[in-house]
Amino acid sequence: SYELTQPPSVSVSPGQTASFTCSGDKLVRKFVSWYQQKPGQSPVLVIYQHSKRPSGIPERFSGSTSGNTATLTISGTQAIDEADYYCQAWDSSIYVVFGGGTKLTVL
Amino acid sequence: QLLLQESGPGLVKPSETLSLTCTVSGGSISNTAYFWGWIRQPPGKGLEWVGSIFYSATTYYNPSLESRVTLSVDTSKNQFSLRLSSVTAADTAVYYCARRGGFCSGGSCSFHFDSWGQGTLVTVST
Repeated sequence: SYELTQPPSVSVSPGQTASFTCSGDKLVRKFVSWYQQKPGQSPVLVIYQHSKRPSGIPERFSGSTSGNTATLTISGTQAIDEADYYCQAWDSSIYVVFGGGTKLTVL
Repeated sequence: QLLLQESGPGLVKPSETLSLTCTVSGGSISNTAYFWGWIRQPPGKGLEWVGSIFYSATTYYNPSLESRVTLSVDTSKNQFSLRLSSVTAADTAVYYCARRGGFCSGGSCSFHFDSWGQGTLVTVST
């Protein structure tokens, strides 16, 4: 079945750019979404269809996909962005698949 | 504002059936633009999609759970439900209900979960 692979952790200093990768076979042909989950809270959609931001999501969140890798970027990272980030896509073998998640630490 | 609220027992015995209901308010579950889904998260672990249902009762299930999962919908109550049979400790998780938007085109689909419930912890234990 289809799998999405994410690194377990990312660390950045406040004000820097945080990048999260999500790898999967031919991922560019699938529409990738990204979710932010803070401790004890439900996930929140921050990017869908590779690069679209839902209403209310700050412009510092952006997404892109090329080849087998999708990237979520947070520009000017703030302490409030500290959370787990999950990618998600569709595949005909499993219908909906999530990556394992990446924990963002803002130092 | 769309709100989703999970309800059901927080403790289920091994080999029994887990049953949860999601009540939707602020929007109609019969809206043809959306599916409705369940996602679970074992303590300290990542997200796992369980299944999705349309208001017409069309369903899609995670292949790894398909033999034990049943989703249903009650449009008169604006609710949808999850039943997971023969549970084990591995089914202990926070269960979220969510609204799924998106579309399919040209052999690929774009699905995303844009509204989530607060989640409910279900523990499988004697």
